[in-house]
Amino acid sequence: QVQLVESGGGVVQPGQSLRLSCEASGFFFDRFSMHWVRQAPGKGLEWVAVISYNGADVKYADSVKGRATISRDDSKNTVSLLMDSLTSGDTAVYYCARDPRQGSGSNPAYWGQGAVVTVSS
Amino acid sequence: DIQMTQSPSSLSAVVGDRITITCRASQGINNYLVWLQQKPGKAPEPLIHAATTLQSGTPSRFRGSRAGTDFTLTISSLQPEDVATYYCYQYRAYPWTFGQGTKVDIK
Repeated sequence: QVQLVESGGGVVQPGQSLRLSCEASGFFFDRFSMHWVRQAPGKGLEWVAVISYNGADVKYADSVKGRATISRDDSKNTVSLLMDSLTSGDTAVYYCARDPRQGSGSNPAYWGQGAVVTVSS
Repeated sequence: DIQMTQSPSSLSAVVGDRITITCRASQGINNYLVWLQQKPGKAPEPLIHAATTLQSGTPSRFRGSRAGTDFTLTISSLQPEDVATYYCYQYRAYPWTFGQGTKVDIK
């Protein structure tokens, strides 16, 4: 079965960096684009970043552009998100998600259980 | 960016009621829409993808439909375990964009 397991969350001070990882299993990882989505406490869902199936294309939300780097290691079935210059506004649960879209078709959506990031002094 | 307008923001219904939640896309997204269920303190769980296709494990009382750029999630007979916040999101284009959420509880 498909699983997405995030790790790397924690409490960090403002201005510091944090790397989140998401290990995938149960599907052909190198055939799917992968996303990060976050949810601040008590708020809705906010898309953060995407990396294409082959790693050639990446896109970021304006709120993290210039501070975030998404990457993937297909040998380890892992997608990562490096966040720099963290502020309290980055406090959220971060989810990785598999893109349902593959070419012109659609596949089931999958989300991980989330990694909690708290930015506080 | 594609805007997703979800309504209502909350609803309260009796066990056994039929309820509907709607998402309207600001432009055409074909069928590239997912419905999520998020129970308190838990991660979102996809219920439906491609607007109308139930994901494995989704009870048959859930149904997704589409009319143009309007998408509807219907629960045919509300159960206590359906208490949750429901979100839609489009994956037609980046960035993914989400509805504001609908909080469902039991009267």
